[in-house]
Amino acid sequence: AQKITQTQPGMFVQEKEAVTLDCTYDTSDPSYGLFWYKQPSSGEMIFLIYQGSYDQQNATEGRYSLNFQKARKSANLVISASQLGDSAMYFCAMRGAVGFNKFYFGSGTKLNVKP
Amino acid sequence: DAMVIQNPRYQVTQFGKPVTLSCSQTLNHNVMYWYQQKSSQAPKLLFHYYDKDFNNEADTPDNFQSRRPNTSFCFLDIRSPGLGDAAMYLCATSRPGGISTEAFFGQGTRLTVV
Repeated sequence: AQKITQTQPGMFVQEKEAVTLDCTYDTSDPSYGLFWYKQPSSGEMIFLIYQGSYDQQNATEGRYSLNFQKARKSANLVISASQLGDSAMYFCAMRGAVGFNKFYFGSGTKLNVKP
Repeated sequence: DAMVIQNPRYQVTQFGKPVTLSCSQTLNHNVMYWYQQKSSQAPKLLFHYYDKDFNNEADTPDNFQSRRPNTSFCFLDIRSPGLGDAAMYLCATSRPGGISTEAFFGQGTRLTVV
């Protein structure tokens, strides 16, 4: 079974600063995918970025990058140049090769961007 | 251009009165999911479909049922809602197999039980 841990219930960041949201995971799957989602107060989960367990390079998507450290089983999300609209809940999720149709989520981090 | 649509966005139901939440998709994805999300918690997978193949999570209460009459539609039935079932219910879809394919979510239905 997969387990996702997000140890930061809440984070504050100043507008235009960078912020790192932590995610660690545990799995026995030989291959897996890691995802980050943003959930604004409206409720919809918005896909941000994906990292495959065999990818050699860290994923980047615009202002989002994923700091993937496989040996440490961590997949931290880095948001550069924070904007007020980044204030939301952020969830780390995993999809494994075994039971591959299931997504497992961490408990989330609430990010508040201060003007 | 919404691809996963949940209706209604807000649902108020009485304690013990059956309620149905609906989800439709235009993505033609084989896999559809129902998640329950309580305030400030991780979304919890209730069940998912691979085409018509239903997969129930071991800890999903019997009070929760689901139907998928065709590829596009999926329903969540709560037979006798209790106060503890008040939550956001999220529907999602995905292409099957492959660890790299993301899930696409609807906007959710916020259920209140009175």
